[in-house]
Amino acid sequence: GAVVSQHPSRVICKSGTSVKIECRSLDFQATTMFWYRQFPKQSLMLMATSNEGSKATYEQGVEKDKFLINHASLTLSTLTVTSAHPEDSSFYICSGKAGLSYEQYFGPGTRLTVT
Amino acid sequence: GQNIDQPTEMTATEGAIVQINCTYQTSGFNGLFWYQQHAGEAPTFLSYNVLDGLEEKGRFSSFLSRSKGYSYLLLKELQMKDSASYLCAVRDFLTDKLIFGTGTRLQVFP
Repeated sequence: GAVVSQHPSRVICKSGTSVKIECRSLDFQATTMFWYRQFPKQSLMLMATSNEGSKATYEQGVEKDKFLINHASLTLSTLTVTSAHPEDSSFYICSGKAGLSYEQYFGPGTRLTVT
Repeated sequence: GQNIDQPTEMTATEGAIVQINCTYQTSGFNGLFWYQQHAGEAPTFLSYNVLDGLEEKGRFSSFLSRSKGYSYLLLKELQMKDSASYLCAVRDFLTDKLIFGTGTRLQVFP
């Protein structure tokens, strides 16, 4: 199956700082990338959808100025958590989808801890 | 709106069979997925149903009834490594988004 990587796998940052998470599709062109957040013992919650070259579409309740998403190429999307706070501590997972394919390929996730 | 329900937790014995149910109400349906997720890891794809009926893949099978808004994942010959969360997700017809259920945490005991 197709492979999606995320970097870093774990990050600890101080409150008020920003952190960038990269999501790469390694062997396919991801025309659409999705960003999810997952709190402990909860399911995945979609944060935003991004199409290559377009602005991301955010889900209700997700602050677009706080969670900056860039999808500049068909193989790379980034999520920047700006002015992070402890409540932003979570597991962030990206997925990529190629064209009209029904399947999304998930990255391994990034564990963010804000102290 | 979207609503997807699964049992929160289930337990079973090694070698047994377990069925995890998922009911959904969505405004536009374009397929249902089942994923397995081990703690601290990303979900891995198990199955996809878009038409009614049973899809079998080795020890895992998935069933869909669109008229009833119902699916189940059947796991046979359970192994200890099957202890994980199982996520039901519905694909929205208009937006192509995946809407996830709450997930079912399955514990397999010896």
